[in-house]
Amino acid sequence: EAGVAQSPRYKIIEKRQSVAFWCNPISGHATLYWYQQILGQGPKLLIQFQNNGVVDDSQLPKDRFSAERLKGVDSTLKIQPAKLEDSAVYLCASSPEPTNLAKNIQYFGAGTRLSVL
Amino acid sequence: GNSVTQMEGPVTLSEEAFLTINCTYTATGYPSLFWYVQYPGEGLQLLLKATKADDKGSNKGFEATYRKETTSFHLEKGSVQVSDSAVYFCALRPGEYGNKLVFGAGTILRVKS
Repeated sequence: EAGVAQSPRYKIIEKRQSVAFWCNPISGHATLYWYQQILGQGPKLLIQFQNNGVVDDSQLPKDRFSAERLKGVDSTLKIQPAKLEDSAVYLCASSPEPTNLAKNIQYFGAGTRLSVL
Repeated sequence: GNSVTQMEGPVTLSEEAFLTINCTYTATGYPSLFWYVQYPGEGLQLLLKATKADDKGSNKGFEATYRKETTSFHLEKGSVQVSDSAVYFCALRPGEYGNKLVFGAGTILRVKS
C-alpha cells in the first residue's frame, strides 16, 4: 500500500513570495490533515478535511494560508505572502475511518521543509 | 485545554541500556494517547497507542501504560539499539469527535554503539 505522498521535499523562497505544497493521501482515506512543525516543536494542526469539507481550521492563519481538497482526494496548501516565521516542515497526514476512533490512525507523509529567507 | 509535556532531550544512551521517556498530559474528557517516532528524513510513524486508562500499548519492544491517576504515558524499552535513534513524540487525541492530535515537543534519542 502506497503511503502519503508530498511534494516538493524542500523549498526555499524569499519573504513575501508565494508557495504551494501538494499532498496525495493514502487511497480511500476520508480524512486529510495539514500540520506545521517548527524546529524543536511538535506538529501543530493547521487544517483538517473530511472528504472535501473542512472539519477544523481554527489554527490556520487565514490571512495568508489557504488549503483546498478538491474532489476529496489530493490537497494543496498555499502560503501567500510568506513570512520568516513560516519556516517549518509542513506535514500531511491521512486517516481512514472517521466513525471508528479506535481504528482511526493518522499516517504521515515525509513532509515539505520550507525555508523563508 | 489539551496539552502534552515531554522530557527534554537529547537523551543519549549506550546500546542495550534501558530507556524511559517521560510524557504527561492535560486533557478534558477521556483522551487516547499515542507515541509516534520520526526517523531522520522520514515522516512520523505510529509506534504504539492506548485508548483508555490502564491500557498498555506495545510495539517493537517499546511499551507505555496509560496512567489516568498521574496523567502520564511514559515510553519504555528494556534494551535500546542504535537503530532506535530517532525523535519520539507523545500525542493525545481528545475524546471528542474530530481525531485531532495534540503533540508534545518531541524527545531526541541517540544510541551509541
